[in-house]
Amino acid sequence: GENVEQHPSTLSVQEGDSAVIKCTYSDSASNYFPWYKQELGKGPQLIIDIRSNVGEKKDQRIAVTLNKTAKHFSLHITETQPEDSAVYFCAANTGNQFYFGTGTSLTVIP
Amino acid sequence: DAGVIQSPRHEVTEMGQEVTLRCKPISGHNSLFWYRQTMMRGLELLIYFNNNVPIDDSGMPEDRFSAKMPNASFSTLKIQPSEPRDSAVYFCASSFSPNYGYTFGSGTRLTVV
Repeated sequence: GENVEQHPSTLSVQEGDSAVIKCTYSDSASNYFPWYKQELGKGPQLIIDIRSNVGEKKDQRIAVTLNKTAKHFSLHITETQPEDSAVYFCAANTGNQFYFGTGTSLTVIP
Repeated sequence: DAGVIQSPRHEVTEMGQEVTLRCKPISGHNSLFWYRQTMMRGLELLIYFNNNVPIDDSGMPEDRFSAKMPNASFSTLKIQPSEPRDSAVYFCASSFSPNYGYTFGSGTRLTVV
C-alpha cells in the first residue's frame, strides 16, 4: 500500500513569514494529493489539492507543488497569520482510498 | 448544505458497553468513510462505503467493530463491547467518489472508562 511521510512534525514561524510542509509518497500510481487543515476540536478541512497532471496550484496565500518524478509534494503558506495555526495533513490516493501523513502542527507567533 | 453531521459529539461509556456512532453524509455524495484519530496512530481508515456498499473494511480493528449504511443518508459505526483502548476521535467523511477530496464531520470523541 501507499506510504506517506510528512515533515516537519512541528513548525513555528513568525507572523508574516512563510511556512513550508513537505510530503513524500511511495505509490507511483497516486494521482491526487489533497491537503487538510485541522483546527482544535474540529474535523480536517480540505484547503487545497493537486492532481498529477499539474506541477503547481495556487489559491491566494496557499500553494502546492508536486514533483512526480521524485514523488514529493509540498504546501506553501505565505504571509502567515495567527489563524493559520493548526495541524496540517497531506494525503495521497492509492486505489480507492487515501493515505494520510502524520500531520504538521503549525504555530504562527504574533 | 449542513456538511457531514455526526452524533454524538462526545460519548463517555463504561468498558463493556455498546457504543453507536452516527453519521449523515452530504446529500449526493456516493462515498462514505469512517476514520479513527489518535495521537499515537494518527488518522486510520476503518471502513469505506461506495453507493452504500462496504468496499474495504480491512481497517476495522477487530470483530467488536461493525459498520452499516442502510441508505444513502445514514451510517453507523458500532463497538460492542467497548474497551478503554477504543478511546479516540472517530470521524465520518463523505465525497463524490473515492478519489475526490473528502468532507469530514466534526467527529465524535469517545472515552471508554
